[in-house]
Amino acid sequence: DQQVKQNSPSLSVQEGRISILNCDYTNSMFDYFLWYKKYPAEGPTFLISISSIKDKNEDGRFTVFLNKSAKHLSLHIVPSQPGDSAVYFCAADHYGGSQGNLIFGKGTKLSVKP
Amino acid sequence: NAGVTQTPKFRVLKTGQSMTLLCAQDMNHEYMYWYRQDPGMGLRLIHYSVGEGTTAKGEVPDGYNVSRLKKQNFLLGLESAAPSQTSVYFCASSAFTARNSPLHFGNGTRLTVT
Repeated sequence: DQQVKQNSPSLSVQEGRISILNCDYTNSMFDYFLWYKKYPAEGPTFLISISSIKDKNEDGRFTVFLNKSAKHLSLHIVPSQPGDSAVYFCAADHYGGSQGNLIFGKGTKLSVKP
Repeated sequence: NAGVTQTPKFRVLKTGQSMTLLCAQDMNHEYMYWYRQDPGMGLRLIHYSVGEGTTAKGEVPDGYNVSRLKKQNFLLGLESAAPSQTSVYFCASSAFTARNSPLHFGNGTRLTVT
């Protein structure tokens, strides 16, 4: 049973517009969430994270929102740029869980068109 | 700074053959991980290590063994390869736990078992 779900396999956005990538989770024990970005033929790279004690974290063009009651988080990219075209993975962790075992979603492929 | 280096980049094995994937990091990180990524799936943790001489099982450890004899190296072994082990394998390292410090990934090893 998937604990971290990214229900949109792909998303296409026009350059300059907002990209919104969604992630849902089922395990109420999760208290820390991360987003990783992956380009083809490369390993994922860390993008942004958020603790469950917050509902928003911002880093430049990237903002992550957390809605604990809905068990939902989203990544906003504003404005979107062609270089943002990549696969975005949502990941979750819970305090006291296996030290290395982030639970990853299946990813959403973002395409930003010029 | 090379970061995390994986060798080889590609490999084709026949069922029943064995091989070792090598991961090397030059960031003096304590934690190292092996993940696999299958089509349409998120990253799944195979094994991880919290320091030199230690290893632990992740989410999908069956059919794999690991060793961390030196802090900078983390080896993943397949003793008797099976077609189900066809996947892209990513090694990662982090200074602290995955929730407290970003994972730094290598560029992956694409393994095909026929």
